[in-house]
Amino acid sequence: TQLLEQSPQFLSIQEGENLTVYCNSSSVFSSLQWYRQEPGEGPVLLVTVVTGGEVKKLKRLTFQFGDARKDSSLHITAAQPGDTGLYLCAGERGYQKVTFGIGTKLQVIP
Amino acid sequence: SQTIHQWPATLVQPVGSPLSLECTVEGTSNPNLYWYRQAAGRGLQLLFYSVGIGQISSEVPQNLSASRPQDRQFILSSKKLLLSDSGFYLCAWSVGTRVNNEQFFGPGTRLTVL
Repeated sequence: TQLLEQSPQFLSIQEGENLTVYCNSSSVFSSLQWYRQEPGEGPVLLVTVVTGGEVKKLKRLTFQFGDARKDSSLHITAAQPGDTGLYLCAGERGYQKVTFGIGTKLQVIP
Repeated sequence: SQTIHQWPATLVQPVGSPLSLECTVEGTSNPNLYWYRQAAGRGLQLLFYSVGIGQISSEVPQNLSASRPQDRQFILSSKKLLLSDSGFYLCAWSVGTRVNNEQFFGPGTRLTVL
């Protein structure tokens, strides 16, 4: 079983639609990161959330950390083809202890 | 600014052959360094991490080893590759003293063992 469950695993939507992907766990994390990875490349850090209930915005992307610091969501408004990629969440449980989810593979169709 | 390099980008090796993948970081000192393997449907699996020269921690028992001969150099090795070693290998670094372990990844090496 995965420590971090990401859902959905696959998502295909039309350009302009909104979407939300989720990252859930039964463990508490001291911080949580979201990354985007394109095929054949390394993941790129998007954001870090630290405080329970924290909301961060990055242009059309909104990240939220759950109040209990066990889960997080990523909402994309008016998705663009450039948003296509694998979205990974990673939770930190202590020094050097980072666990990655399997990811949500997003395809935005023009 | 900091950059991270990995080479080679792709590699095809026969079963039983040795392996050496190299990772170097520029623009930072005393980084934490990591080796991950990414397989389809399994996410990123942490293989090794290092907090300093000569200091290696292994996360899973396996056919691979890692070394850190210099502050900003991290090497992943194997004496005899197995078919199951195929995958996408990623090197990453993080700031050594930072509390939130944000990691910065290299471009990866695609290894195919035949």
